[in-house]
Amino acid sequence: DAKTTQPPSMDCAEGRAANLPCNHSTISGNEYVYWYRQIHSQGPQYIIHGLKNNETNEMASLIITEDRKSSTLILPHATLRDTAVYYCIVRVAEGGTGGFKTIFGAGTRLFVKA
Amino acid sequence: DTGVSQNPRHKITKRGQNVTFRCDPISEHNRLYWYRQTLGQGPEFLTYFQNEAQLEKSRLLSDRFSAERPKGSFSTLEIQRTEQGDSAMYLCASSLFQVPGELFFGEGSRLTVL
Repeated sequence: DAKTTQPPSMDCAEGRAANLPCNHSTISGNEYVYWYRQIHSQGPQYIIHGLKNNETNEMASLIITEDRKSSTLILPHATLRDTAVYYCIVRVAEGGTGGFKTIFGAGTRLFVKA
Repeated sequence: DTGVSQNPRHKITKRGQNVTFRCDPISEHNRLYWYRQTLGQGPEFLTYFQNEAQLEKSRLLSDRFSAERPKGSFSTLEIQRTEQGDSAMYLCASSLFQVPGELFFGEGSRLTVL
């Protein structure tokens, strides 16, 4: 799976949009971009994933550049409860019998401040 | 609650003792994963099962570690002759075969080896 690069930490004011960047310059054509977050003392939580089109769900939006070498996770109105470590992961999304695991990096520690 | 359940949540043991953790995945999920996480690091992949078959094991999984999923439902992770370096959070996750990148994690089992 391709390697990702994320800033180690970011701050965001409560109520403002949090924009978390991720570089994945070696991403392959069949690799998806996944985002998870981990709130302190809890297991990671799936947020969103995409291939090349922008995606939005009730938690966040995912913007993937046209060349797919980077992406941004957007939390439109950050709250204090969004303080967490955010992980950007690229991996294939196979439907066959291949054995592909999800590999986590160090992530970005987002601090949402009042 | 029908999420991933892990037991025990906390375990304190003395060096050299054996410990066993149990994971009950979401009932219809046929893939089950074990990860280990130490303070300040992202989760590290240990092993995963598809139904009862153990398809992949990390090199992190020394011969003191063994995982089973005998009937394709719950799983156990046993650590024999524990060492202080085994102190970590052990996370279990499950997913559907058809949506392999969307993992659902439990709250984890925290091991402290004295």
